[in-house]
Amino acid sequence: DAKTTQPTSMDCAEGRAANLPCNHSTISGNEYVYWYRQIHSQGPQYIIHGLKNNETNEMASLIITEDRKSSTLILPHATLRDTAVYYCIVRVTGTASKLTFGTGTRLQVTL
Amino acid sequence: NAGVTQTPKFQVLKTGQSMTLQCAQDMNHEYMSWYRQDPGMGLRLIHYSVGAGITDQGEVPNGYNVSRSTTEDFPLRLLSAAPSQTSVYFCASSYRAERTYEQYFGPGTRLTVT
Repeated sequence: DAKTTQPTSMDCAEGRAANLPCNHSTISGNEYVYWYRQIHSQGPQYIIHGLKNNETNEMASLIITEDRKSSTLILPHATLRDTAVYYCIVRVTGTASKLTFGTGTRLQVTL
Repeated sequence: NAGVTQTPKFQVLKTGQSMTLQCAQDMNHEYMSWYRQDPGMGLRLIHYSVGAGITDQGEVPNGYNVSRSTTEDFPLRLLSAAPSQTSVYFCASSYRAERTYEQYFGPGTRLTVT
């Protein structure tokens, strides 16, 4: 699986959009980009995934660059409950198992 | 559905003791996995199973055993606990289907080995 690079931490004001970047410059053509988050030592929670098109669901949007070497997770209106560690994961198949977690980005949402 | 459940929530062991961490899911998922998370680190895969009777090693399998006799249960056994196994343990499950993208995680078991 391709290696990912994320900033260690970010801050965001409540109500503003949180944009979390991820670099995956060695990604292969059949590798998906997954995003999970972990709130205060709970079990990780799936957010969204994508292959090459931008994706949106009720939680977030995922923007993948045309060359697929980087992506951005967007939380459109961050709330205090979005304070968490966000993990960007690249996985070779369409199955969800055997994920490789890095250290992620710690997002702090403030008033 | 209860989802993925883990017991116990907390456990303290002495070096050399053995114990089993329990994991169960009621979603009829084929895939189940065990991860450990050390302080300030991401999760690392210990063992996983693609179905009843089938298990395989992950990134950090030493010191742990698993078995999968039913679809629902995937216990993790520590044979002889060591302080290096102090960690938070997460169990996860997902469907086996090719277009499955979401893995469901349990709440974790916090283990301290003294």
